[in-house]
Amino acid sequence: SYELTQPPSVSVSPGQTASITCSGDKLGDKYVCWYRQRPGQSPILVIYQNNRRPSGIPERFSGSNSGNTATLTISGTQVLDEADYYCQAWDSSAGGVFGGGTKLTVL
Amino acid sequence: QVQLVESGGGLVRPGGSLRLSCATSGFTFSDYYMTWIRQAPGKGLEWVSYISSVAGSRYYADSVKGRFTISRDNARKSLYLQMNSLRAEDTAVYYCARYVVVAPAAYADYFGQGTLVTVSS
Repeated sequence: SYELTQPPSVSVSPGQTASITCSGDKLGDKYVCWYRQRPGQSPILVIYQNNRRPSGIPERFSGSNSGNTATLTISGTQVLDEADYYCQAWDSSAGGVFGGGTKLTVL
Repeated sequence: QVQLVESGGGLVRPGGSLRLSCATSGFTFSDYYMTWIRQAPGKGLEWVSYISSVAGSRYYADSVKGRFTISRDNARKSLYLQMNSLRAEDTAVYYCARYVVVAPAAYADYFGQGTLVTVSS
């Protein structure tokens, strides 16, 4: 089976840059997307195809993917960015694999 | 605007069955793949299954293969998940989502509000 690994938590001060990583074997050969989920809410897509933003997602959200690691970067982090973030990639054997999620704390 | 509304969740005993439905509006349903994603209480997201736009392809996570069946009715703009032989570990909020597949990329761009399935005796 294919696995994606994320750090359980990341902390950042308001206005600083937050980086959330997602690791998997040869992940750079796959397309990665990222979801944000606030408590009690459904997930929303914030990055797709490694580095593309859906309409309505602020420019401060960006993504990259190379080697074994994909990274979600949030520049000028705001308190409202506090949420759980999940990476996902498609694997031909395992299907739509999710990372375990990262709780982003802004304080 | 795109809307996805799940229904059919509830309490069911281990070994029992349940059928989830997802009613959609705001987009051309027959043009899109669709997917089910679940989230156990206090846990992360888990992809469950997807179905292609004309139901020619269906894919399942190993954890549900042989027990769950995904289907769709393009005339009714609805997605379904038939869940049989339910286990305690199937307890979760089940989300219906629109699935964009541009091989090899795939991502869910809209989610419903979810429906809770509880498997317990």
